[in-house]
Amino acid sequence: QSALTQPPSASGSPGQSVTIFCTGTSSDVGYYNYVSWYQQHPGKAPKLIIFEVSRRPSGVPDRFSGSKSGNTASLTVSGLQAEDEADYYCSAYAGSDTWVFGGGTKVTVL
Amino acid sequence: EVQLLESGGALVQPGGSLRLSCVASGLTLSIYAVSWVRQTPGKGLEWVAAIGATGTPTTHADSVRGRFTISRDNSNNTVFLQMNSLRAADTAIYYCAKRAFERQFDTWGQGTLVSVSS
Repeated sequence: QSALTQPPSASGSPGQSVTIFCTGTSSDVGYYNYVSWYQQHPGKAPKLIIFEVSRRPSGVPDRFSGSKSGNTASLTVSGLQAEDEADYYCSAYAGSDTWVFGGGTKVTVL
Repeated sequence: EVQLLESGGALVQPGGSLRLSCVASGLTLSIYAVSWVRQTPGKGLEWVAAIGATGTPTTHADSVRGRFTISRDNSNNTVFLQMNSLRAADTAIYYCAKRAFERQFDTWGQGTLVSVSS
């Protein structure tokens, strides 16, 4: 159960796009299409923003998009807004009712 | 409004025990699988344990297997995490999270803080 690898930080100016990569293994990210992404503001609980690699829950803006290639998943935030400044975590199902999370990426809106 | 509410976090000495509870309101938790996920202060998220809707299967992360046990009481809409032989490294905010069909965690509680220190 090794953690997924994410860059510790990413940044962009308002209106720009930022992409966060999440690298796992052939046993989790690469094997199942059960990759999800969570947004967490300081002092708050995580919030689901992407599931099943690229699907958005109701109410999540279409500025958030996800994809996957091989053992690496990615989250793109387009048209950055001030409220997008937060920590973002990827998660992947690893089989046999187990999950792994990434270490998190702090997104700063410049 | 659908809510999960954790309780039971406290300051405990190394080697001690705690039982965390997760109660649901606004939904029938008994038809959903639930996980516990923890977050070390200033660090990332770590999946801890999972339980199926009926109470099975149960799974635990390698880091807690043999020390922590997840269980549930569906008659009271509650999921528990029994934590024994606690270590300093277990210090974290513990969240319960409802699992949806596509293996994502779509509803989270506000978390309860467990501090292990002498």
